[in-house]
Amino acid sequence: GAGVSQTPSNKVTEKGKYVELRCDPISGHTALYWYRQSLGQGPEFLIYFQGTGAADDSGLPNDRFFAVRPEGSVSTLKIQRTERGDSAVYLCASSLGRGQNTEAFFGQGTRLTVV
Amino acid sequence: QKEVEQNSGPLSVPEGAIASLNCTYSDRGSQSFFWYRQYSGKSPELIMSIYSNGDKEDGRFTAQLNKASQYVSLLIRDSQPSDSATYLCAMANQAGTALIFGKGTTLSVSS
Repeated sequence: GAGVSQTPSNKVTEKGKYVELRCDPISGHTALYWYRQSLGQGPEFLIYFQGTGAADDSGLPNDRFFAVRPEGSVSTLKIQRTERGDSAVYLCASSLGRGQNTEAFFGQGTRLTVV
Repeated sequence: QKEVEQNSGPLSVPEGAIASLNCTYSDRGSQSFFWYRQYSGKSPELIMSIYSNGDKEDGRFTAQLNKASQYVSLLIRDSQPSDSATYLCAMANQAGTALIFGKGTTLSVSS
């Protein structure tokens, strides 16, 4: 597609429920990133995929968070037993390759609200 | 802890003026820096990348990098009301697997 696509745009869930957030990267981009952004803060790194593998998951806050990218394209971020503190905008980005000089482009985000 | 620091603002400039946005970083090993613009309620949009010391110009935007001082800046010439947004400074980690963002500086351009 023309840009990074994320679905849903908004998700409201009850505390304790499970949610899945989907990201479809720019066609041909091998690198995919998940970030989380709270109000008044910059995006916070969660996880990075190069192809199908999670090359860096150091930003995942705890084991309730998990992400997959089984075919090296679409990725799903999964959050178990959601807590109110998980409420944020979840951003996905993709880039052509890896390395410090790689420019990353963001999707429109999924606003997650845990009530 | 690798950090990127930005003044949160708001920075207010009149239309047509030069807006100067600044950023400092703690990791001397980082080689790549990026400026993103984020309108309220929208996602970050990449506007500039810079990897070498000195200036890089693109239209009304100039990014400046000084690795010795660990300082990055963004100059916006002939500021327009449409430039009003939050500007996020980011640096790539040494592995190239993540961007570390500052909290952003809010710019307001008045007409």
